Amino acid sequence: RKEVEQDPGPFNVPEGATVAFNCTYSNSASQSFFWYRQDCRKEPKLLMSVYSSGNEDGRFTAQLNRASQYISLLIRDSKLSDSATYLCVVNPPGGSYIPTFGRGTSLIVHP
Amino acid sequence: NAGVTQTPKFQVLKTGQSMTLQCAQDMNHNSMYWYRQDPGMGLRLIYYSASEGTTDKGEVPNGYNVSRLNKREFSLRLESAAPSQTSVYFCASSVTGQLYEQYFGPGTRLTVT
Repeated sequence: RKEVEQDPGPFNVPEGATVAFNCTYSNSASQSFFWYRQDCRKEPKLLMSVYSSGNEDGRFTAQLNRASQYISLLIRDSKLSDSATYLCVVNPPGGSYIPTFGRGTSLIVHP
Repeated sequence: NAGVTQTPKFQVLKTGQSMTLQCAQDMNHNSMYWYRQDPGMGLRLIYYSASEGTTDKGEVPNGYNVSRLNKREFSLRLESAAPSQTSVYFCASSVTGQLYEQYFGPGTRLTVT
């Protein structure tokens, strides 16, 4: 099993739709979790951290389910500008400073 | 505050040539990283430096060397470029520790012919 897995998509949704992505991780002791956004031919940028209790930032909601070892990202009222690849990142426990990136989920929002 | 900067933005090399990719950060981060990103492969870690004076191999270190010149700068060297090293290279930095996110530079697009 890969350490961090994401459905590559693409998820093709109309403007205004609600869309959700999941990301599963294999190390149950993982410490911290993030969602990054990567636009075409650009660098990844932090979208939001994922907290144990779940957190929301405007139209974006991130959740962590430790029992089932996955994190999720929900985007409400999708905009054309949300079209991008969304990368899930899991930081391991212990002394390693190496985060593990998923391969990303592609989102296309169409008019 | 420029964040993470990388030079050059684009480079074309012939097989066997060498070059150094430069990366600098002004956020006073201890940890720095070099990744490559290829279509369908996601980000793969080449080398990282947890703190000034230390470097360690990542997932795909073969064909590369790194230097942590000081706290701000972390360079990646290709001694003898190969077509398989055609990729987009990203440098990143972070506060050291498992709880912290990374900040990425804009990338270097390298083509080896």
